[in-house]
Amino acid sequence: EIVLTQSPGSLSLSPGERATLSCRASQRVGSNYLAWYQQKPGQAPRFLIYGASSRATGVPDRFSGSGSGTDFTLTISRLEPEDFAVYYCQQYGSSPTFGGGTKVEI
Amino acid sequence: EVQLLESGGGLVQPWGSLRLSCAASGFTFTSYAMTWVRQAPGKGLQWVSTISGSGGNTYYVDSVKGRFTISRDNSKNTLYLQMNSLRAEDTAVYYCAKDHDPVVPAANDYWGQGTLVTVSS
Repeated sequence: EIVLTQSPGSLSLSPGERATLSCRASQRVGSNYLAWYQQKPGQAPRFLIYGASSRATGVPDRFSGSGSGTDFTLTISRLEPEDFAVYYCQQYGSSPTFGGGTKVEI
Repeated sequence: EVQLLESGGGLVQPWGSLRLSCAASGFTFTSYAMTWVRQAPGKGLQWVSTISGSGGNTYYVDSVKGRFTISRDNSKNTLYLQMNSLRAEDTAVYYCAKDHDPVVPAANDYWGQGTLVTVSS
């Protein structure tokens, strides 16, 4: 099983600031099968990024994903009020697993 | 518009059974694998099971193998999760989700609103 470790566990930032979220895998993620999701309280996850760096349909370009192998990053270039949420990474190559999440708070 | 609507959650005693359903619309159901993901109260996401578009291939997380069965009825555009021998640690919101790509291993682009399963005596 590939274990995903997200850091930091929480991030306190202000609107307009840049957020950098990390996701580290215990072994190489094949074909960069790495996705990112956003989840707000009481809501289902929202699909943001797949293939480590491809934005899903309708996702604003302030969200970007990067990385390969075992180290991946989600960057939110300028935080909007609606971006404060919990973010999860997921590897979906085989026996999918999720990271523990990073909470981005004001 | 893609819609996924789960149902069937509720309170069940330990060792009991429950069947979840997920009614899908707005896309060609048979073309996409479908997945169940759960989230225990206050915790993170956990992949539970995936079924191929045809229903011929199924995959499970180790902790539910032998207890849960994923299936689909492509004539009804509906996904199921039969859960037997339920344990307290199965308590969670269960989401159904659609794979975003019909061909390769894929992430999940559309999610239902979730249905809560509570296992307690």
